Amino acid sequence: EPEVTQTPSHQVTQMGQEVILRCVPISNHLYFYWYRQILGQKVEFLVSFYNNEISEKSEIFDDQFSVERPDGSNFTLKIRSTKLEDSAMYFCASRVQIYEQYFGPGTRLTVT
Amino acid sequence: AQTVTQSQPEMSVQEAETVTLSCTYDTSESDYYLFWYKQPPSRQMILVIRQEAYKQQNATENRFSVNFQKAAKSFSLKISDSQLGDAAMYFCAYRSAQETSGSRLTFGEGTQLTVNP
Repeated sequence: EPEVTQTPSHQVTQMGQEVILRCVPISNHLYFYWYRQILGQKVEFLVSFYNNEISEKSEIFDDQFSVERPDGSNFTLKIRSTKLEDSAMYFCASRVQIYEQYFGPGTRLTVT
Repeated sequence: AQTVTQSQPEMSVQEAETVTLSCTYDTSESDYYLFWYKQPPSRQMILVIRQEAYKQQNATENRFSVNFQKAAKSFSLKISDSQLGDAAMYFCAYRSAQETSGSRLTFGEGTQLTVNP
């Protein structure tokens, strides 16, 4: 069964550094998402992406964040200058039409 | 804005018994989807079940079923014949059916389910 994959599984970075989190959505899916989950808290929406542009973003998704689909298969989330409060699990998700979003296994980001 | 509330931070059940997890939501929309996701210790988000708001019939997937009460804005998950592998955090989630309203999932706070042998 096709799956959403994410790399790396765990990323440790120093405050102020740039990080890029990578996702490979399911191949025939059209809508792509990033969510984050701070430890012990609920999952929060960051951004959705469709037809090569951002379709919606939350108040969390400020100028420090950007997304890209560079090559038709990968979907990346970049954080330009990480802060301690960016430490969280980041989930990529994708969907094909009207129904459910399928989530990847997540990338645990630790900012020190 | 839509909100989703899970009022039970923790629940426990004996193996082979039945447990119900509660979820309420608030929306002004008439057409939407509701989901239950399971998050085991690995933290992978796994879809359990989906309900379309326009359907009166409650969704069922094997041992998992929902009680969808649209007027009450309630969406509970019933797990029958609970198994040790059901132990996880369960999240209720809402999504608008209108693409112009965005297609983000709005999650509740989660309910940690423990299954006792």
